[in-house]
Amino acid sequence: DVKVTQSSRYLVKRTGEKVFLECVQDMDHENMFWYRQDPGLGLRLIYFSYDVKMKEKGDIPEGYSVSREKKERFSLILESASTNQTSMYLCASSHLGSTGELFFGEGSRLTVL
Amino acid sequence: AQKITQTQPGMFVQEKEAVTLDCTYDTSDPSYGLFWYKQPSSGEMIFLIYQGSYDQQNATEGRYSLNFQKARKSANLVISASQLGDSAMYFCAMREGKGNQFYFGTGTSLTVIP
Repeated sequence: DVKVTQSSRYLVKRTGEKVFLECVQDMDHENMFWYRQDPGLGLRLIYFSYDVKMKEKGDIPEGYSVSREKKERFSLILESASTNQTSMYLCASSHLGSTGELFFGEGSRLTVL
Repeated sequence: AQKITQTQPGMFVQEKEAVTLDCTYDTSDPSYGLFWYKQPSSGEMIFLIYQGSYDQQNATEGRYSLNFQKARKSANLVISASQLGDSAMYFCAMREGKGNQFYFGTGTSLTVIP
């Protein structure tokens, strides 16, 4: 069964802490994405990567960074968490090509106190 | 400008009735793909249906069909014979050309009433 796995379903962190959200996919997908989901705002793209060590900014990259050292793994990093980063974070992956749908992980709900 | 617009924040439908969830999109790329996803209260995103811009026929997957009107740039999702388990958030999304970005709408919350 193909999967996108996010390391933590629920996290609670304090303001100023460094936060790592890990995502692993087993489908040999080229593309990987990090989205943030907030009520009424839908899914907003933070960063994406189309190859190892490559990354592109999405719509809301401020306050976030990413790392893709291996094809299957894409990490989202909050260098200094703030309360306005409390949200649901969704990782996704896809093949290159116009018909490839996104496969999502189960999501990581982050609360920053 | 918004790439994907979903104008119905919430919808209600009687069990066993059909319901249409609206989606309009904005692109100048002749090649694009349109997707619908379902997100139940458990949070996972479930892929429902895909329509390519060059597809001549509307996509169908079981009880789901996509009413694709290219000239109007709309891609409405039709769910036939609604079931209680259809209660969820529904997101419309678009991928342009061979690009790597997906654009999502703000979603529609569907509630199926017994």
